[in-house]
Amino acid sequence: AQKVTQAQTEISVVEKEDVTLDCVYETRDTTYYLFWYKQPPSGELVFLIRRNSFDEQNEISGRYSWNFQKSTSSFNFTITASQVVDSAVYFCAPPPWPFQKLVFGTGTRLLVSP
Amino acid sequence: DAGITQSPRHKVTETGTPVTLRCHQTENHRYMYWYRQDPGHGLRLIHYSYGVKDTDKGEVSDGYSVSRSKTEDFLLTLESATSSQTSVYFCAISDWTGEGYGYTFGSGTRLTVV
Repeated sequence: AQKVTQAQTEISVVEKEDVTLDCVYETRDTTYYLFWYKQPPSGELVFLIRRNSFDEQNEISGRYSWNFQKSTSSFNFTITASQVVDSAVYFCAPPPWPFQKLVFGTGTRLLVSP
Repeated sequence: DAGITQSPRHKVTETGTPVTLRCHQTENHRYMYWYRQDPGHGLRLIHYSYGVKDTDKGEVSDGYSVSRSKTEDFLLTLESATSSQTSVYFCAISDWTGEGYGYTFGSGTRLTVV
């Protein structure tokens, strides 16, 4: 069975620090997608990125970057120069084949203090 | 953003009463889902639908039923509400689009059973 692990329950940083959130996805599927969502204190789920198993290139979007390593089943998310507005719970979520029923990790709560 | 709305946004109900939550989409997506979110559990799948009148159970389906008579509407019914069903409920839609596989969430419904 597939298993997604976000081992970091809570991370606290000071503004402008870089922070990396870890996600490990164990699966026997050879083709898969991985999603990251952000849930700010207001409660909505905000889509951040979707990657598939065929694309191992890192992706950068502003202060956000993602490092996908298929060999270790890790899909880590880095925020550079963190800001208070980055404070939220971040979820890694893979949909098992055939890409239905998104399965969520327990999330990592990020607290960024001024 | 994808057109997905949940109603009501907030509801307080009494134990033992039936409650129906509505999810409406304007994207013509095939798949629709109901999740609940509770502290310490992340998001857990209640039921999902892969087409009109085609539904299936998720991991926490006891005490819930669903119906999908039209592509755009997916209803979640708590047959006899209990305090353990106090939660935040999220609807989601997914499908393959020109940009790949997409998965979008509604804004959530906060349900309190007293």
